[in-house]
Amino acid sequence: QKEVEQNSGPLSVPEGAIASLNCTYSDRGSQSFFWYRQYSGKSPELIMFIYSNGDKEDGRFTAQLNKASQYVSLLIRDSQPSDSATYLCAVNVVNTGGFKTIFGAGTRLFVKA
Amino acid sequence: DVKVTQSSRYLVKRTGEKVFLECVQDMDHENMFWYRQDPGLGLRLIYFSYDVKMKEKGDIPEGYSVSREKKERFSLILESASTNQTSMYLCASRPRFSYEQYFGPGTRLTVT
Repeated sequence: QKEVEQNSGPLSVPEGAIASLNCTYSDRGSQSFFWYRQYSGKSPELIMFIYSNGDKEDGRFTAQLNKASQYVSLLIRDSQPSDSATYLCAVNVVNTGGFKTIFGAGTRLFVKA
Repeated sequence: DVKVTQSSRYLVKRTGEKVFLECVQDMDHENMFWYRQDPGLGLRLIYFSYDVKMKEKGDIPEGYSVSREKKERFSLILESASTNQTSMYLCASRPRFSYEQYFGPGTRLTVT
């Protein structure tokens, strides 16, 4: 089992719809969770992070965390064509000397105009 | 703005060559990382460094080495390039007491 799993997609949604991206992780000791956006040919950039169970909202983005189910999701409201990208879920796990970040393989999102 | 730069965007090397990938960050970050990114596999950590002259193996260090002689510079070395090292290589840096990583633009390496 991969440590961080995401559906590779592509996920296709019409402009203005809600895009829902999901991620599961295997290490119950994981402390912090991140969503990175990566446009084609570009490097990842951090768009959301969440540490506590529940929802965290930032503009059109909402991150949701359920530690009991080991599940983290990203909702994008009013999706725009400019949101078309690959979204990487990342999880910090404790290891010797501190922590390390494990990345999922990413979900490709297409927003159709 | 944090800036992480990598020496080349595209690189083509022959099997058996020694390859140097350079990464420089300008924000005095303690931690620096080298990843490779392959389709379907996501980002995989090769090596990281939490201080000058310090290095730690990541998940896939075989065939690679690193050097960090100055705080701002972290080099990845492929001692003898092989075709299975064809990939996108991403460097990242992170301040000591932060979780956010800042990525460079990446180097797409092709080994023929």
